[in-house]
Amino acid sequence: EPEVTQTPSHQVTQMGQEVILRCVPISNHLYFYWYRQILGQKVEFLVSFYNNEISEKSEIFDDQFSVERPDGSNFTLKIRSTKLEDSAMYFCASSQIAGASGANVLTFGAGSRLTVL
Amino acid sequence: EDQVTQSPEALRLQEGESSSLNCSYTVSGLRGLFWYRQDPGKGPEFLFTLYSAGEEKEKERLKATLTKKESFLHITAPKPEDSATYLCAVRAGGYSTLTFGKGTMLLVSP
Repeated sequence: EPEVTQTPSHQVTQMGQEVILRCVPISNHLYFYWYRQILGQKVEFLVSFYNNEISEKSEIFDDQFSVERPDGSNFTLKIRSTKLEDSAMYFCASSQIAGASGANVLTFGAGSRLTVL
Repeated sequence: EDQVTQSPEALRLQEGESSSLNCSYTVSGLRGLFWYRQDPGKGPEFLFTLYSAGEEKEKERLKATLTKKESFLHITAPKPEDSATYLCAVRAGGYSTLTFGKGTMLLVSP
C-alpha cells in the first residue's frame, strides 16, 4: 500500500538552530500538508501546498516556517530558528483531491519528532 | 471557530466488551467528519468519512454514525489489536483543513 515517508524520525536540536523536516508524499498525490501534535495535545493544521504554492496556512505557520517542494518527490518543512515550544511531532500528509470536499482524504506519514533543547 | 470534543478521554475494555466513543462537533457548514486511528508513535490512519446526518459506515468491528451534532464510533466485540487512540476530525466551510479532537485512548485487555 502506498505510504507517506518522513525523515528524520527523530531530531534533537538546540534552540535557535534551523531544522528541515522531509517528506516523500504518495506519488500520484498532488496536495500536501503539514500538521503537528504537541505531546498530549490535538493534531493541529500548519499549512497546505499545491502547485508549488501555499494554499492555506494557520496562525501557527508564522515567518519562522517555510515549505518547499525542491524536486518532483520531496516536500520539506523548514523552521528557521527553533524555539522550545516548537517541540512536537510533525506529520506530513498528502491527498489526491484538494479542497473542502469530504472526498479529500488525507494520508499521513509516521511523523518526525522534533525535540528543541 | 470549529470545535471538536471527544469523550471519554480514555476507555479500558475487556476483550469482547462492546462500547462507543463519542465525538461532538460545532462547525459551520460540515463538509465531512473523519475518523482516524493512531497507534503510539505513528501517524493517523484513515478509517471513515461521514458526510450527512443519518449516515453509517462499517469496517470489521467498527461502525461510525453521524447526527447533526455528534458522531459515534461503535466497537463491537473488540480485540486487543483494536487498542489505539481514535481521532475525530471535521472539515467545514470552504477550507480543506481538518480540525481534530484530542482523541480517545482505547485499551482492550485480553
